[in-house]
Amino acid sequence: KQEVTQIPAALSVPEGENLVLNCSFTDSAIYNLQWFRQDPGKGLTSLLLIQSSQREQTSGRLNASLDKSSGRSTLYIAASQPGDSATYLCAFLHNAGNMLTFGGGTRLMVKP
Amino acid sequence: GAGVSQSPRYKVAKRGQDVALRCDPISGHVSLFWYQQALGQGPEFLTYFQNEAQLDKSGLPSDRFFAERPEGSVSTLKIQRTQQEDSAVYLCASSLSATAYNEQFFGPGTRLTVL
Repeated sequence: KQEVTQIPAALSVPEGENLVLNCSFTDSAIYNLQWFRQDPGKGLTSLLLIQSSQREQTSGRLNASLDKSSGRSTLYIAASQPGDSATYLCAFLHNAGNMLTFGGGTRLMVKP
Repeated sequence: GAGVSQSPRYKVAKRGQDVALRCDPISGHVSLFWYQQALGQGPEFLTYFQNEAQLDKSGLPSDRFFAERPEGSVSTLKIQRTQQEDSAVYLCASSLSATAYNEQFFGPGTRLTVL
């Protein structure tokens, strides 16, 4: 069974810092990986999707990387802003199924 | 355009009551998913529909949980004889295609509290 771990569970940083969120997984037979953002009381917003054949994707201040051999993905946020405060979730689509397997999330607080 | 909608947004039930949670997927989306998200945790898969067919229900935690999508559009997740451990946010997601993976679009969720 795929196990997905996100470290740290919570993170508080001052505005303007660059930061890295980590996601590790145990089964390398993945179809793709997604990073989501979840605001309190809201659903999930997809930020970046990396296919298994890709190594990274970029969108604005966000960059996500995927290393299947080491079972790791990172989400890099440049020049963090208070509006980035949210929970960030990584999720994997396994080759054998259609459902996403999620990590536990990292709760990010960016202080002004 | 309209995204995935869910109703009610909040539901409080007494232990032992039955509840029904509704999901309206994006129009034309073939695949529909239900996930359960406990407080402070990531979502966990419950069940998956392709049109009206329930292709995977391996994540349903007990036979008290039942989902349907009779016309291949709106879906309902029903929980019978609710227990306190059923308290969670129930998320619905839909995606366009059944033949190849497409991005899943999530609704805002229904927060269920069982007293």
